[in-house]
Amino acid sequence: QKEVEQNSGPLSVPEGAIASLNCTYSDRGSQSFFWYRQYSGKSPELIMFIYSNGDKEDGRFTAQLNKASQYVSLLIRDSQPSDSATYLCAGVYNFNKFYFGSGTKLNVKP
Amino acid sequence: GAVVSQHPSRVICKSGTSVKIECRSLDFQATTMFWYRQFPKQSLMLMATSNEGSKATYEQGVEKDKFLINHASLTLSTLTVTSAHPEDSSFYICSAARRSGGVSTGELFFGEGSRLTVL
Repeated sequence: QKEVEQNSGPLSVPEGAIASLNCTYSDRGSQSFFWYRQYSGKSPELIMFIYSNGDKEDGRFTAQLNKASQYVSLLIRDSQPSDSATYLCAGVYNFNKFYFGSGTKLNVKP
Repeated sequence: GAVVSQHPSRVICKSGTSVKIECRSLDFQATTMFWYRQFPKQSLMLMATSNEGSKATYEQGVEKDKFLINHASLTLSTLTVTSAHPEDSSFYICSAARRSGGVSTGELFFGEGSRLTVL
């Protein structure tokens, strides 16, 4: 199995703060990385993906990829209580196989 | 957007029986679908890759005779848990990657998941 590592948390941030979620991966052959949000008892839903080094912004979310350090992160600006969920990082191999980290639980306190 | 539908969402069965879970891509053709299993507070574990018209590819440690996968059409894959036991109780999730011109667009769409409880 390919390895994607995440801190399980929980990560607690106050409402309006920036939440920073991190992920490392072991296989340099991975092509791209995805961030999914999963509410308890539900399937994951896509937030965004990144495949080039650097930052990618989408609304309140910014994904960062550093291939040299094998490190991926997700920043959530102006965090809301509705952002409270488990965030899954996934690496893609062979262009279609997704391997997931164990997820980081985020709590945004009002 | 693309939608992947999974059925049933919940199933309770007795030990020793078989359970079939269906996964449908509703508005795109999926030559490849993926089946994941997720235990409480754990990651999604890839079980197998379902290939339309051919045999599924199983991940290491997954028993192919226990988890039967059939991908008979471009929009339907089924997972059958045979002779289910309590340790098979889990959240099973299917997914499909949308492709354009034979190349994955990179988006993986998930079904709603099926929670299996084996008594």
